[in-house]
Amino acid sequence: DAKTTQPNSMESNEEEPVHLPCNHSTISGTDYIHWYRQLPSQGPEYVIHGLTSNVNNRMASLAIAEDRKSSTLILHRATLRDAAVYYCILSPGNQFYFGTGTSLTVIP
Amino acid sequence: DTEVTQTPKHLVMGMTNKKSLKCEQHMGHRAMYWYKQKAKKPPELMFVYSYEKLSINESVPSRFSPECPNSSLLNLHLHALQPEDSALYLCASSGPGQGGYGYTFGSGTRLTVV
Repeated sequence: DAKTTQPNSMESNEEEPVHLPCNHSTISGTDYIHWYRQLPSQGPEYVIHGLTSNVNNRMASLAIAEDRKSSTLILHRATLRDAAVYYCILSPGNQFYFGTGTSLTVIP
Repeated sequence: DTEVTQTPKHLVMGMTNKKSLKCEQHMGHRAMYWYKQKAKKPPELMFVYSYEKLSINESVPSRFSPECPNSSLLNLHLHALQPEDSALYLCASSGPGQGGYGYTFGSGTRLTVV
């Protein structure tokens, strides 16, 4: 299973941007990069995914390095509801293996 | 319908009991999954079903027995569990789509073995 490395925890002030990094140096050419987040006592929920190009949706942006060995999830204005564990996942097809994730704390 | 529904939400069982966890989706997804999540740890893949057939078993003990009766339903039968099996059990489904396979997770069943 493809491995990802993320910081264990990060803090952000409310209404400020947050950049969550992920290293995936062993990524293969067909691996998609997925980001999911998990709020307390809930199942993981989809945030964003991409292959090579940067991606934007209503929740976040995903910046993918040119060599694809790293990516960054960008939350443009953190809110208290964004406090969660964020997982960066590589998917070679239909199997998801979770890394340890980053626990994001949002400070009011 | 864009949800994965898991029942029950909470379950307490003794080590000699037999119980089942249920998972249902109506998104037409043909792959379904069971994950186990211990407190403050990431989810761990247990089983993968693809087109109602078991395709991956991540060396899970036989006291956990999965079943996929049809394309919408996934069960996890539990028998003779140990207290260390207490965890959040997550079900997920996925289907092919643009940009790879996206997962939809249920909210989980919180299992306590006493």
